[in-house]
Amino acid sequence: GAVVSQHPSWVICKSGTSVKIECRSLDFQATTMFWYRQFPKQSLMLMATSNEGSKATYEQGVEKDKFLINHASLTLSTLTVTSAHPEDSSFYICSAGAQGASSGNTIYFGEGSWLTVV
Amino acid sequence: QKEVEQDPGPLSVPEGAIVSLNCTYSNSAFQYFMWYRQYSRKGPELLMYTYSSGNKEDGRFTAQVDKSSKYISLFIRDSQPSDSATYLCAMSKGGGSNYKLTFGKGTLLTVNP
Repeated sequence: GAVVSQHPSWVICKSGTSVKIECRSLDFQATTMFWYRQFPKQSLMLMATSNEGSKATYEQGVEKDKFLINHASLTLSTLTVTSAHPEDSSFYICSAGAQGASSGNTIYFGEGSWLTVV
Repeated sequence: QKEVEQDPGPLSVPEGAIVSLNCTYSNSAFQYFMWYRQYSRKGPELLMYTYSSGNKEDGRFTAQVDKSSKYISLFIRDSQPSDSATYLCAMSKGGGSNYKLTFGKGTLLTVNP
């Protein structure tokens, strides 16, 4: 089946530094990818919608200058957490849908990336 | 009121039991409904996808949608310890892959051997 790959799975960084997380669709093209954030024992909260070749659409309350999203190709979207702080520590998950899909069952999730800011 | 409400549990059942998981929603614009399973520290895995009222069965899983009551359910028959996970309901206003999903909070299920 279709696979969405995220890298890295785990990352620890120092406060004030930036961290980049990659999301790749391995065997299909995705014009749209979504970035979520999940705190322990909480549900997935949509952060932004990443559109290939155009600017991402951010959800209300999400700082676009802090969470930079780049969707440069049909198979890759990146999320960069800039000037990370301990409160940014969380589980970040991406999802991607196959291009031209008309059914919801073609939305696939990555395995997630654990970010710890110390 | 949140758009999607889901009892977070936790829910603990013996092996072989029938499990019932439920979500309610307030926005009638939601037309497509999904159930995801999420193991600890992993990304969600799609279990069921439905877009019409009624039942849909896939192996031990049955998804039920009642649009008139804005209520969806997931039934797991003959539950196994490997079913222990968090179950998330999700819904969207459209069926294309570019539509946002709105998730419930998730229900933590433990199936005891």
